Amino acid sequence: QVQLQQSGPGLVKPSQTLSLTCAISGDSVSSSSAAWNWVRQSPSRGLEWLGRAYYRSRWQSDYAVSMKSRITIIPDTSKNQISLQLNSVTPEDTAVYYCASRYHDSWGQGTLVTVSS
Amino acid sequence: QAVVTQEPSLTVSPGGTVTLTCGSSTGIVTSGHYANWLQQKPGQVPRALIFDTSNKHSWTPTRFLGSLLGDKAALTLSGAQPEDEADYYCLLFYSGVRVFGGGTKLTVL
Repeated sequence: QVQLQQSGPGLVKPSQTLSLTCAISGDSVSSSSAAWNWVRQSPSRGLEWLGRAYYRSRWQSDYAVSMKSRITIIPDTSKNQISLQLNSVTPEDTAVYYCASRYHDSWGQGTLVTVSS
Repeated sequence: QAVVTQEPSLTVSPGGTVTLTCGSSTGIVTSGHYANWLQQKPGQVPRALIFDTSNKHSWTPTRFLGSLLGDKAALTLSGAQPEDEADYYCLLFYSGVRVFGGGTKLTVL
């Protein structure tokens, strides 16, 4: 079973960039059968799929339409991890952020990120 | 972006059967939407139950069944147990992009 361990700050100032990392064990970030999702959850918005990245001869990514202008998911093959960057955050981006495997069968522990000055 | 719709809440009696549905603002839900179903209990990380419409994970109880029902994806729970009380979310695939439904709060009472 894949295990995912998240890390990153729990507090980000408005207009700054939210950065989280998900360390993967039990699989390779660049496995041709894997994909790595980022999901967030807040009381007001429920579960929200943010995007995913995967390797199929080259790195590819898909992003939620609502996030497309602000989000980047970045693989790091040397560390076997996947990172989320969300630019220009506002208080509405306050949520618990999760990384999850391709079929959402493995999840990180979640990181509560609060956007506040 | 498509909107995925679920019943906000449902109640089932212990031992009873209930069907949760998952609709799409774009029209009929098909196998090409690769519906996923996840269960979440308070304070816990979501747990995947069904992927690709009807496939179960190794830990998915046999009482859960994923299917297409009419123009929607469906999750049928037969023989509800008290521990099945939880929030249930569907997730649909739209040409690479995925969209969660708003979730169904299932009460076993």
